[in-house]
Amino acid sequence: DAMVIQNPRYQVTQFGKPVTLSCSQTLNHNVMYWYQQKSSQAPKLLFHYYDKDFNNEADTPDNFQSRRPNTSFCFLDIRSPGLGDAAMYLCATSTRQGMNTEAFFGQGTRLTVV
Amino acid sequence: AQSVTQPDIHITVSEGASLELRCNYSYGATPYLFWYVQSPGQGLQLLLKYFSGDTLVQGIKGFEAEFKRSQSSFNLRKPSVHWSDAAEYFCAVGEDSYDKVIFGPGTSLSVIP
Repeated sequence: DAMVIQNPRYQVTQFGKPVTLSCSQTLNHNVMYWYQQKSSQAPKLLFHYYDKDFNNEADTPDNFQSRRPNTSFCFLDIRSPGLGDAAMYLCATSTRQGMNTEAFFGQGTRLTVV
Repeated sequence: AQSVTQPDIHITVSEGASLELRCNYSYGATPYLFWYVQSPGQGLQLLLKYFSGDTLVQGIKGFEAEFKRSQSSFNLRKPSVHWSDAAEYFCAVGEDSYDKVIFGPGTSLSVIP
């Protein structure tokens, strides 16, 4: 089945040690998003790609970077994770087709910082 | 700026009872409105969406929602709740390109036998 896959499901990293989360999609959608969701909170958009065009939210810390080498893959890089970056990270995709626009989410990666 | 409020942080209903989850939005134009459900430790699943047309929208798992422009509301309903409906429910509002979807704070639903 076509879907959005996030790896790994659970990631433990050390304070200050760079970590990369990955997302792949088989939907051939041109838009990919990264959301951060802290415990008992709503998902918060970090940034998104429309094709290769990168769009950063104004309040996304510089510590968070992203790469999209091709349509299918998108990566979230946290350069120096702090304890406050522990969260669920959700990847989503969509296609800009007006009425058919909707987002498909992966199952998320739970990041723990120790 | 867009915003979404979900007045109820937590709701408990009995299995078989009806359910209504409230959502109010703030947006100047006609919004794109969504309801998502999230089970513990999982990603978000789309229940239904409203873009235009009929203001009563049918979704998956027996859910429906009604868009009321005069009240800036998009409440989610289900006539008979099942134990498996226990989850977190998020209302979201977006611009027409979906590039700026804002999620509400969520409502946690508990279902008691």
